[in-house]
Amino acid sequence: DQQVKQNSPSLSVQEGRISILNCDYTNSMFDYFLWYKKYPAEGPTFLISISSIKDKNEDGRFTVFLNKSAKHLSLHIVPSQPGDSAVYFCAASQTGANNLFFGTGTRLTVIP
Amino acid sequence: DAGITQSPRHKVTETGTPVTLRCHQTENHRYMYWYRQDPGHGLRLIHYSYGVKDTDKGEVSDGYSVSRSKTEDFLLTLESATSSQTSVYFCAITRDYPYEQYFGPGTRLTVT
Repeated sequence: DQQVKQNSPSLSVQEGRISILNCDYTNSMFDYFLWYKKYPAEGPTFLISISSIKDKNEDGRFTVFLNKSAKHLSLHIVPSQPGDSAVYFCAASQTGANNLFFGTGTRLTVIP
Repeated sequence: DAGITQSPRHKVTETGTPVTLRCHQTENHRYMYWYRQDPGHGLRLIHYSYGVKDTDKGEVSDGYSVSRSKTEDFLLTLESATSSQTSVYFCAITRDYPYEQYFGPGTRLTVT
């Protein structure tokens, strides 16, 4: 059973606008969340993370929001750029665990 | 650049043949991981290692074995490849922070 879900397989956004990618999880023990970006024929690249003690973390154009009660997190990209076009994976882990659980990914296309 | 290389990058093999994929790191990290990426599933953990000769199973370990005789090398072996093992395989390492994993470029394996 998928413990981390990304229900939108794809998203298209105009350049300069905001991109919002969503992720839901079912395991209440997860306490650390990450976003990865993946270009074709390359490995996933770590983008940004958030601990469950926070509800927001910001890094430049990228902000991750965590809503623990809803078991939901989102990645905001502002402003979106064509180079942001990639597949974005949400991942989750829990203290003491050695692995990450990944969502199925959302393909973001930023239209120039 | 996470200092991770994978070999081969592409391989086509026949059902029933053994296959070994290699992951090599240059940064002396303790933890190494093997994932597979499939459409509709995201990335799933196959096996991981927490030191030389110390390995453990992930969520999709059936049909795979691993070995780690040196810190820098983590090998994934398919003893008898099947078509269901056609996938893209990624190796990852963990740096200082326990949850942020950094990925290699991937190996695309096709089993005919």
